[in-house]
Amino acid sequence: ELKVEQNPLFLSMQEGKNYTIYCNYSTTSDRLYWYRQDPGKSLESLFVLLSNGAVKQEGRLMASLDTKARLSTLHITAAVHDLSATYFCAVDAAGGATNKLIFGTGTLLAVQP
Amino acid sequence: GAGVSQSPSNKVTEKGKDVELRCDPISGHTALYWYRQSLGQGLEFLIYFQGNSAPDKSGLPSDRFSAERTGGSVSTLTIQRTQQEDSAVYLCASSLGPLRVIQYFGAGTRLSVL
Repeated sequence: ELKVEQNPLFLSMQEGKNYTIYCNYSTTSDRLYWYRQDPGKSLESLFVLLSNGAVKQEGRLMASLDTKARLSTLHITAAVHDLSATYFCAVDAAGGATNKLIFGTGTLLAVQP
Repeated sequence: GAGVSQSPSNKVTEKGKDVELRCDPISGHTALYWYRQSLGQGLEFLIYFQGNSAPDKSGLPSDRFSAERTGGSVSTLTIQRTQQEDSAVYLCASSLGPLRVIQYFGAGTRLSVL
């Protein structure tokens, strides 16, 4: 059974600081997603990582994928309050053969002014 | 609208009643998914429709749950004889197809079973 683990579950950080959220998964997959969810809102797609070594950046967020280590990271650079949200990683349940996503537990990010 | 539309946004029901949740995917999207988000279980896959193929029902938690998709567009998730543990936010997503990797999510239906 595919398991996806994120850490930390909760992250409180000050504006201007850097931090990394980690996403580990238990079986082979070459497709990994990052989503953002604001309170009471739905999920917004941030990144899709499709191959080993893939790196994508958007603003202050950068995501990377290491399929050999079964690890993805979401790095936050110089955090601002607007980044406060819950971040989820998700992995295709059949290693790319389906679109059935298995989500991590989520990381609640609170950026303090 | 341009996004995935779900209705109702909130539903309160009594234990034992049946409920129907509706999802209207983005126009032209052939793939449709239902997920459930709850405090205890996080985000869980429920069911996946792709075109005219048989749906992947592997995530449905019990036979009280069923879903259909009419005309390759609108989908209805039905929960029969609701239980308190069914209380959750039910999210629908759609994508252009199985090879189109991004799933776009609706705002969800918050179901409360009293």
